[in-house]
Amino acid sequence: DSGVTQTPKHLITATGQRVTLRCSPRSGDLSVYWYQQSLDQGLQFLIQYYNGEERAKGNILERFSAQQFPDLHSELNLSSLELGDSALYFCASSRGTSGGEQYFGPGTRLTVL
Amino acid sequence: AQTVTQSQPEMSVQEAETVTLSCTYDTSESDYYLFWYKQPPSRQMILVIRQEAYKQQNATENRFSVNFQKAAKSFSLKISDSQLGDAAMYFCAYRSQGGSEKLVFGKGTKLTVNP
Repeated sequence: DSGVTQTPKHLITATGQRVTLRCSPRSGDLSVYWYQQSLDQGLQFLIQYYNGEERAKGNILERFSAQQFPDLHSELNLSSLELGDSALYFCASSRGTSGGEQYFGPGTRLTVL
Repeated sequence: AQTVTQSQPEMSVQEAETVTLSCTYDTSESDYYLFWYKQPPSRQMILVIRQEAYKQQNATENRFSVNFQKAAKSFSLKISDSQLGDAAMYFCAYRSQGGSEKLVFGKGTKLTVNP
């Protein structure tokens, strides 16, 4: 158990819908990262938040957005869902910005029908 | 941009034997971090081992060790005394020292352990 929690574990929805994925980092971790794992794209970085502020953006679609709240939990919002958005979405956390390891949550499996 | 290449899509090893997984990367940076993550069938991403580029000594964690060749931009993972529980996908990952802290992953190597 990494100490990072993600809810829900599984999500099945229809095209065009909007979903929210939630992540709670390890106690004391200030950085939260979101990654997408799909068969064709592999593991790709989406976005990072550090202590409530957006720190880095990767290959995140405009239909996707995220935020980190004062209690440091983070939410990833996916809207206007398409079939190709079906993937495993991971949240990871780390202490800060000094090269620390990133610990991953169990992931949310999103299926868009 | 940094890239990570794992040239072995699949590998197999007999239980109790040793196996080495290969990883090469491309970067113009001199300071960075390298990681190996394990993803078993449960899909959980588990950190196996970490290496700082400024350290010449190869990292070791119990049965797992790396061979870090900075000049060759190579970072292989050696698993000794392989166990059935080592069967998983293994991902090599790169992280810059400064700037973006994102992990850049290779496509993974699927390791099968035969009893």
